[in-house]
Amino acid sequence: GNSVTQMEGPVTLSEEAFLTINCTYTATGYPSLFWYVQYPGEGLQLLLKATKADDKGSNKGFEATYRKETTSFHLEKGSVQVSDSAVYFCALSDQTGANNLFFGTGTRLTVIP
Amino acid sequence: SQTIHQWPATLVQPVGSPLSLECTVEGTSNPNLYWYRQAAGRGLQLLFYSVGIGQISSEVPQNLSASRPQDRQFILSSKKLLLSDSGFYLCAWSGQGQNQPQHFGDGTRLSIL
Repeated sequence: GNSVTQMEGPVTLSEEAFLTINCTYTATGYPSLFWYVQYPGEGLQLLLKATKADDKGSNKGFEATYRKETTSFHLEKGSVQVSDSAVYFCALSDQTGANNLFFGTGTRLTVIP
Repeated sequence: SQTIHQWPATLVQPVGSPLSLECTVEGTSNPNLYWYRQAAGRGLQLLFYSVGIGQISSEVPQNLSASRPQDRQFILSSKKLLLSDSGFYLCAWSGQGQNQPQHFGDGTRLSIL
């Protein structure tokens, strides 16, 4: 079956620190992988995606590389800002036409000045 | 561009009362539509999805139902709310075809008293 395992939070970092949030997956076939971000009181926003092995998704300084050999899609950012404080969700989509997403439990990131 | 609207943003309802949450999408046709629930501090649970008018798939047994009376309208309902129905409800849409990301509304926070 499909599932996503995400690094437990919360994560607290100082401004300009390096961020890694680990995400591994189990899937049948070749899923697409996504990172979503949720700011307080809001819905989820697509942060980045990758649709095949070795693809690197990037946006707003965040990056993640689709690693088929380790079934991972770790989120990284070289220098976090206070405005990056949010909950981050890793997700994979099934290969049906319904595009159902399987989410990790989310990782809360707090960046302090 | 495509937009998704969800309302109301906040709702407080007594136990046993009915519920109707509405979601509409603009700027696209024949989208896949989804309802999720996010309990406090938890990940997202897919409740329903729809790949077309009148086509509803339920992911979990529950006290809720969904309907899609028009192509870009998705409604979440209940005849009698339970305390356990409290949570943050998110509507999302995606394009047809594989590997399409989902795009989320701003959510409805439902509190049951």
